Amino acid sequence: RKEVEQDPGPFNVPEGATVAFNCTYSNSASQSFFWYRQDCRKEPKLLMSVYSSGNEDGRFTAQLNRASQYISLLIRDSKLSDSATYLCVVNQNYGQNFVFGPGTRLSVLP
Amino acid sequence: NAGVMQNPRHLVRRRGQEARLRCSPMKGHSHVYWYRQLPEEGLKFMVYLQKENIIDESGMPKERFSAEFPKEGPSILRIQQVVRGDSAAYFCASSQVNSPLHFGNGTRLTVT
Repeated sequence: RKEVEQDPGPFNVPEGATVAFNCTYSNSASQSFFWYRQDCRKEPKLLMSVYSSGNEDGRFTAQLNRASQYISLLIRDSKLSDSATYLCVVNQNYGQNFVFGPGTRLSVLP
Repeated sequence: NAGVMQNPRHLVRRRGQEARLRCSPMKGHSHVYWYRQLPEEGLKFMVYLQKENIIDESGMPKERFSAEFPKEGPSILRIQQVVRGDSAAYFCASSQVNSPLHFGNGTRLTVT
């Protein structure tokens, strides 16, 4: 089993749709969690950290379920500019071991 | 506050030459990571360094690749005797303790 797994994608959705990304991790000792987005041929950029209580930033909502070792990202009212690859990232201990999922590609269509 | 700086942005080398990729972390960041990304593939971890120390090099190929992060100056990823399969985007990231990674805009290496 891979350390961090994500929906294989790609997701093709119309503008205004709500889309959800799922991520699971295998190491129960994982300490912190993040979502990044990566545009084609660009560097990954931090979208949001994921906190135990769940957190929201505008149209984006992240959830963490430690018991199920599952992380989600919800995008509401999707925009064309949301088209990118979304990466789930897990920090496996406070020793700075970051593990990236393979990413899920999103295309928002007009 | 400048972000993670990588140079060069693009690097072309002939087979057998050496490639040197440089990365200056964000101010105040003491942890540096190198990742490689092949076209249409995900990020692959290569190495994690702190000043003057290699902490984890489990993702580095056993031969031709080396990395350093000296007390003064940028981190360097060095690829000796490059081959066509080394063509990829190489991203550097930095962080503070218990904080997320911040990436540079990468070096695109093309081996001809």
